[in-house]
Amino acid sequence: NAGVTQTPKFQVLKTGQSMTLQCAQDMNHNSMYWYRQDPGMGLRLIYYSASEGTTDKGEVPNGYNVSRLNKREFSLRLESAAPSQTSVYFCASRLTGMGGYTFGSGTRLTVV
Amino acid sequence: DQQVKQNSPSLSVQEGRISILNCDYTNSMFDYFLWYKKYPAEGPTFLISISSIKDKNEDGRFTVFLNKSAKHLSLHIVPSQPGDSAVYFCAASDAGGTSYGKLTFGQGTILTVHP
Repeated sequence: NAGVTQTPKFQVLKTGQSMTLQCAQDMNHNSMYWYRQDPGMGLRLIYYSASEGTTDKGEVPNGYNVSRLNKREFSLRLESAAPSQTSVYFCASRLTGMGGYTFGSGTRLTVV
Repeated sequence: DQQVKQNSPSLSVQEGRISILNCDYTNSMFDYFLWYKKYPAEGPTFLISISSIKDKNEDGRFTVFLNKSAKHLSLHIVPSQPGDSAVYFCAASDAGGTSYGKLTFGQGTILTVHP
């Protein structure tokens, strides 16, 4: 019962490098989300996908792109990493209606 | 503009006593509220929720109270246990709208329960 799996768990990037954070869920959930957590800021929504084939911007989308590859997978791409993108990134999924998310364990990203 | 605020960054409580974590919101469109618990190096886990049609919801040791007129909710943990030590996030959503399940989170409160 894996739930939501995020890879990698840790990553250090140099400014200007690109990378993709991977997220996969095995619960047949329709909606998937990417959040970032920064000290004193809580979790802020970057992008979300309400259903397979759709994506939309959240509160802090600048500098990121996403792909909903299929129902299971939702990736987050940093095209040109900046130190301001140093954060812990969480992927989450949800079936339908209201109710709690299931979160992954996070990716800790440092941009130097 | 922080729409969901947890004004206490930390709370320290003795084991067996009550822990009360508070949360305020400003968006009157929010009608569904949740609490999440987060341990270090793990993702947040769903704890308890409440719809705006209710003012109280209980689940074991956890009770959430909602005061719509004051735009305030609180989480009560009774009795508190050392294993409850974690970061607690309050979150809110506009369930009746087209929010697609998007949640707005507070900054979090670090709860420490001392044996």
